[in-house]
Amino acid sequence: DTEVTQTPKHLVMGMTNKKSLKCEQHMGHRAMYWYKQKAKKPPELMFVYSYEKLSINESVPSRFSPECPNSSLLNLHLHALQPEDSALYLCASSQDWGLAAYNEQFFGPGTRLTVL
Amino acid sequence: EDQVTQSPEALRLQEGESSSLNCSYTVSGLRGLFWYRQDPGKGPEFLFTLYSAGEEKEKERLKATLTKKESFLHITAPKPEDSATYLCAVSPRAGNTPLVFGKGTRLSVIA
Repeated sequence: DTEVTQTPKHLVMGMTNKKSLKCEQHMGHRAMYWYKQKAKKPPELMFVYSYEKLSINESVPSRFSPECPNSSLLNLHLHALQPEDSALYLCASSQDWGLAAYNEQFFGPGTRLTVL
Repeated sequence: EDQVTQSPEALRLQEGESSSLNCSYTVSGLRGLFWYRQDPGKGPEFLFTLYSAGEEKEKERLKATLTKKESFLHITAPKPEDSATYLCAVSPRAGNTPLVFGKGTRLSVIA
């Protein structure tokens, strides 16, 4: 099973709201990722978690706050977002991060976020 | 600087008309090259990993090949359901380096 699940599928929020995106995988992967994707652009890496620890933060604004409660779950907490943050948010996972293995990343279906 | 360039940007084919998509890369050592298929509004679907020059992998109507500077995704006798954006990404060898994605090729197959 190579499935990564994400909830919700769609989210509309105001600039003063607080919301969370959730991601889950049961493949035993030790690395999980958040990406942001704008229309007709490739995915853009935001965060990498490896063994439940934050390994990479690609200079993401603090209004995005990631959390990895355990090895299967990844959250992205959203607060005071701007309309330009509207995008498809993708979660991915892979066997490992930063080791010698050639690690395919498996993506979830994404959350379509609209900020009003 | 690590870079991935995909061409063409968009491709329109008649059903059954075979063609190839190109992914050229310049990286400081290659750990792996990945092909993904992405339908509109959905997450990328993993297709292939290629590790070394000369390697080939096949899945249904798709065949991916790799040289030292580029990869090709060959589509044989495509069907309308093959319409999607095809993304190429490379994993550079250097340290904890994120995937470098190309901008993708938007493929349309017309019945």
